[in-house]
Amino acid sequence: EAQVTQNPRYLITVTGKKLTVTCSQNMNHEYMSWYRQDPGLGLRQIYYSMNVEVTDKGDVPEGYKVSRKEKRNFPLILESPSPNQTSLYFCASGSGGPYNEQFFGPGTRLTVL
Amino acid sequence: QKEVEQDPGPLSVPEGAIVSLNCTYSNSAFQYFMWYRQYSRKGPELLMYTYSSGNKEDGRFTAQVDKSSKYISLFIRDSQPSDSATYLCAMSASRGSTLGRLYFGRGTQLTVWP
Repeated sequence: EAQVTQNPRYLITVTGKKLTVTCSQNMNHEYMSWYRQDPGLGLRQIYYSMNVEVTDKGDVPEGYKVSRKEKRNFPLILESPSPNQTSLYFCASGSGGPYNEQFFGPGTRLTVL
Repeated sequence: QKEVEQDPGPLSVPEGAIVSLNCTYSNSAFQYFMWYRQYSRKGPELLMYTYSSGNKEDGRFTAQVDKSSKYISLFIRDSQPSDSATYLCAMSASRGSTLGRLYFGRGTQLTVWP
């Protein structure tokens, strides 16, 4: 089954404790992206990657890191999480082309205390 | 100003109503327009896409693009309770360094009550 998987699905942590949210896709997509979704603010892009070893900042990259060492994986790293990073995070992979249909993972609900 | 503006609602309509959802945008390079649907506690899924100006119909759904006004719409006919979801517009440019990157609206929350 074609899918994007994220882990963990739910995470409660404390300020300053480094964490990684994993993302993996099995559709051989070159494009991958991370978004955060907050009430009233909608879906905002954090980072995206057009291919292996190529990453670019989205609209809200501060406080996040990403890496793309393999085509299928695109982990999101929070080196020192803060409460304002409490959010719902989505990973997505794109089919390419001008529409670049995005296939979203199930989301990770992160709470930083 | 955000590149894509969308009224977040919420919008509440009775079953069978015609629903109109809209977005405006500021970047004239946008050529590809999409609507995503997001059910509660799920990730968004592509519902429809259109290129440049004009209409596209798919069952009860019609997408319209008016590039001269930088305005796109999604119409839902004979709305059903199962249409209750958040609808996000998305756009991408046809050229340049942002080719392939999608720009999303904030989403409009729709409830269709029986």
